[in-house]
Formats: sequence, structure tokens, C-alpha cells
Amino acid sequence: QVQLQQSGPGLVQPSQTLSLTCVISGDSVSSNSAAWNWIRQSPSRGLECLGRTYYRSRWYNDYAESVKGRIVISPDTSKNQFSLQLHSVTPEDTAVYYCARGVAASGFDFWGQGILVTVSS
Amino acid sequence: QSALTQPASVSGSPGQSITISCTGISISTYNRVSWYQQHPGEAPKLVIYDDTKRPSGFSYRFSASKSGNTASLTISGLQAEDEADYYCCSYTGGDTVYVLGTGTKVTVL
Repeated sequence: QVQLQQSGPGLVQPSQTLSLTCVISGDSVSSNSAAWNWIRQSPSRGLECLGRTYYRSRWYNDYAESVKGRIVISPDTSKNQFSLQLHSVTPEDTAVYYCARGVAASGFDFWGQGILVTVSS
Repeated sequence: QSALTQPASVSGSPGQSITISCTGISISTYNRVSWYQQHPGEAPKLVIYDDTKRPSGFSYRFSASKSGNTASLTISGLQAEDEADYYCCSYTGGDTVYVLGTGTKVTVL
């Protein structure tokens, strides 16, 4: 059974960087069939896919247009985890952030528990 | 990439069937629509993938279909535990790999 355990601060100051980590058990971040995603949810924006990282002989990333230029999703094979960095945050980035596994573009079959991140001074 | 359009709410009595629609351009392009159930305070849970497939062990009362730009989720034999928010999701093939729906609140009367 795949499990995803998220960690990171719940409060980030405006203009700073939001950083979250998702530890994977029951699968590998280097899997050739999975992709590792970050998704957020807020009352104003609903559910929004932010991006993903995946390995297919080399590492790939896809990022949503809405956050491109501010986002980095990176794998850590030594710890079997992946992370999200979102730079220059504003109060509009306040949301519950989820990590999730995707398989073959078929959707997200396993999710982390979610972390509420508030952007406020 | 605009969000997929869903009705804000749908309700039904126990034992009845309800259907939630999901409309968007990307739906007709790929056979990659998925549906999620979300109870308050919990992460979304996959209930349908690849347009019509149920994850192993998930209730047969959940079924899905697709026609043109519209996908539909049907819950038959409605039960109190089905009361939740439901979201559709479509693969887009672009940089924004997936687009999600606006969400539908299902109420069991």
C-alpha cells in the first residue's frame, strides 16, 4: 500500500518561499510508471494541479501555467521523497497543499494528508 | 486552461440514483477522466479513472460515462455515506497536465 506523508510549515510570510516535502512509502520516486504531483485547494481557486516530477530514463517536470516561473518540484532519491518550492508567495497562495501519485495519466490514486499553508505576515 | 464545469450541488433521497455532469473541451480529447470523492477535512479519494473504471474494491454503486465534451458520474442506491464533494479531472496533454472540475456537493436528503 502506497502512503504519502507530507511535512512543512503552516505559515509563510508574503514574498517568501513556501517549501513542502512528501515522503513516499510503498513505491519509489524513481518509478518508471508513476508521477509525483502537487495539488492545492482553496475556496477561491478550488482544486488546482500545480505540477509534477517523474522519471523515464531521466527526470522530467511539468508545471501549471498559473505558477510557472515560481515553482520547483524536485525528487530526492536518497530519501525517497519529493518536494515543492513556491517562490514569491502572496496571500492568494493560501491553500491546503496535497501531494499525490499519478499513474499513466489516469488520475491520482494515492494522496498525502494535506497541509494548510497560510501566507500572512 | 479553464476549470471543468460541474453543477454546484445535487441532492437525492436514500436509495435513489443521482448523476453529476462535468463539461470541458479536454474531455473529448483523451480517455483520461477521473472522479474524486472528498469528505470534509479529508483528502480527495479516487472513485473512477480512465473515464469509466473503478479502483479495485471500490463500490459498484459508482459508475461513469462520457459523451463528447461531457463526462458523468452516477451514484446508484444513494447512501448517507455518499454525502460529500465530488470532483472530476481531465488529462490535458499540456504543461498544465490536469484540469480539475469546480466541484459538486452531494446531499443525501
